[in-house]
Amino acid sequence: ILNVEQSPQSLHVQEGDSTNFTCSFPSSNFYALHWYRWETAKSPEALFVMTLNGDEKKKGRISATLNTKEGYSYLYIKGSQPEDSATYLCAFNSNSGYALNFGKGTSLLVTP
Amino acid sequence: NAGVTQTPKFRVLKTGQSMTLLCAQDMNHEYMYWYRQDPGMGLRLIHYSVGEGTTAKGEVPDGYNVSRLKKQNFLLGLESAAPSQTSVYFCASSWNLYEQYFGPGTRLTVT
Repeated sequence: ILNVEQSPQSLHVQEGDSTNFTCSFPSSNFYALHWYRWETAKSPEALFVMTLNGDEKKKGRISATLNTKEGYSYLYIKGSQPEDSATYLCAFNSNSGYALNFGKGTSLLVTP
Repeated sequence: NAGVTQTPKFRVLKTGQSMTLLCAQDMNHEYMYWYRQDPGMGLRLIHYSVGEGTTAKGEVPDGYNVSRLKKQNFLLGLESAAPSQTSVYFCASSWNLYEQYFGPGTRLTVT
């Protein structure tokens, strides 16, 4: 079992605020780091997969960075909107296995 | 494409009963996975498969069995359900070790 830690556990911001979350993971035997977005009553949907140290990915107002040497990734949301309200999951897989190890997620609530 | 589908969507079992959850994918993915999701916990891997006819244990395999007789289907069985198996079960598939596509989930209650 590979520990993946996410912080904060939950976050409540106002519409228009920018925010960020952290995911920490084991820095050894790194293969890939994933971010998923999970809306209530729906299935998790992949946002980003990052494999290289220093990777930065962007999709609209959401971006992510990766530091494999120190074992962390940040997810940023610029100008949060109510439709961004969801749980954001981080998952890690090592080069020694097929399984994804998920963090417990950061629950984001954006209010108008 | 339907993507990943799960049957049934909801089920209530009594302790000791058995059931099978069906996951089907139409994306020709090699890898398939079963997770459970419980309050305050992340998604935890139960079993997974890296190809037709192969299965392997994940983080929490006890009390479950799986089979992958056809590439598109991955079955999760509970031989003797226990209240501790009350959970939401998600199936996922992928064609490599990267992006996993998730099904809609099955909410199981064991009384």
